[in-house]
Amino acid sequence: KNEVEQSPQNLTAQEGEFITINCSYSVGISALHWLQQHPGGGIVSLFMLSSGKKKHGRLIATINIQEKHSSLHITASHPRDSAVYICAAEETSGSRLTFGEGTQLTVNP
Amino acid sequence: EPEVTQTPSHQVTQMGQEVILRCVPISNHLYFYWYRQILGQKVEFLVSFYNNEISEKSEIFDDQFSVERPDGSNFTLKIRSTKLEDSAMYFCASGGEIGHAYNEQFFGPGTRLTVL
Repeated sequence: KNEVEQSPQNLTAQEGEFITINCSYSVGISALHWLQQHPGGGIVSLFMLSSGKKKHGRLIATINIQEKHSSLHITASHPRDSAVYICAAEETSGSRLTFGEGTQLTVNP
Repeated sequence: EPEVTQTPSHQVTQMGQEVILRCVPISNHLYFYWYRQILGQKVEFLVSFYNNEISEKSEIFDDQFSVERPDGSNFTLKIRSTKLEDSAMYFCASGGEIGHAYNEQFFGPGTRLTVL
């Protein structure tokens, strides 16, 4: 069974700061998902990656398969980035996601 | 843009009653999932469904739970006799397109189930 750990649990930043959220997992995976959960509860998929790095706008996700570690970076953070960011591990393609606890990000103006 | 839809958005029921939560996955997706999130806790996997059968289920998904894809478009989760501890947000997700190697999952908005 995969254990997924995220850090930090809570993160407060000033607008414009560079943000990093970390995720580690215990068992080899086929893909690592980064998700965003808004205050109303809805979950949006940000990235799914199995190697290297992906970029979408101000968001960057990286993964190191050997170290079983992934990071989500937000450049030039904005108050609208405030949300819970969740990483989730997928062990084989099409299989269950095992979720981390989430990181509550608050970006102040 | 296609999206996963769920109904109802909020369901209130009495303990012991049966509830059916409904989902319409994205039409060309092959994999379907139910997850739940108890208030203040992390999201947990319940069940995955592929090729018209359950492909994987968690220890939470006991005999009181069942899933069905009755008509090729809807995907339902039934809880036969609800308990107080079933109160949670239930998310449906779908993913996996023909010809794609990897399985990004798209989540519905959730159904908040409250058991009294």
